[in-house]
Amino acid sequence: SQKIEQNSEALNIQEGKTATLTCNYTNYSPAYLQWYRQDPGRGPVFLLLIRENEKEKRKERLKVTFDTTLKQSLFHITASQPADSATYLCALDMQTGRRALTFGSGTRLQVQP
Amino acid sequence: DGGITQSPKYLFRKEGQNVTLSCEQNLNHDAMYWYRQDPGQGLRLIYYSQIVNDFQKGDIAEGYSVSREKKESFPLTVTSAQKNPTAFYLCASSIGQGATEAFFGQGTRLTVV
Repeated sequence: SQKIEQNSEALNIQEGKTATLTCNYTNYSPAYLQWYRQDPGRGPVFLLLIRENEKEKRKERLKVTFDTTLKQSLFHITASQPADSATYLCALDMQTGRRALTFGSGTRLQVQP
Repeated sequence: DGGITQSPKYLFRKEGQNVTLSCEQNLNHDAMYWYRQDPGQGLRLIYYSQIVNDFQKGDIAEGYSVSREKKESFPLTVTSAQKNPTAFYLCASSIGQGATEAFFGQGTRLTVV
């Protein structure tokens, strides 16, 4: 079956370090992949979109890579801050005729001051 | 301000009752979506609509119903047939199909009492 996997364990890092979150998928070839941030009790907020022909995308302190051979995306936050603490979700369009995003379960990031 | 609004924020329902969750957007988006999120889990797709007067089932449509009579509105009814309705419900919209970001509402937390 088609699957999106994110590390379910929380990631704890020190302020100023780089956080790296992983999104792995199986059994399909998405044309693009998106990353969202979700704070407790609130809806997700869009961060970045990367297309299959793009290896890397940057936005301020955020960087996303997309390796279609490994079926993996990495999401990096450089110079992390306590305000970056949240759950980060990756999402794919499965392109199976159903045009809606499929989300991973998310990884909770905790940045310690 | 443009955005997507869900109401109410908190909703309590007695077992056996139907309840309708509201979702309104003024972004002029064609596509709208309903997701369900359970604690510690990702978003699961309930229903989606790519255009007015048309909608499709997602992964967990049983026990739910929707309508899309207006472009701006996509209400979700949780029926008594839904066996475990207590969850966080998220509505989203996007411009349309393809590589576009989804905009989410703030969510409705439904509790069955």
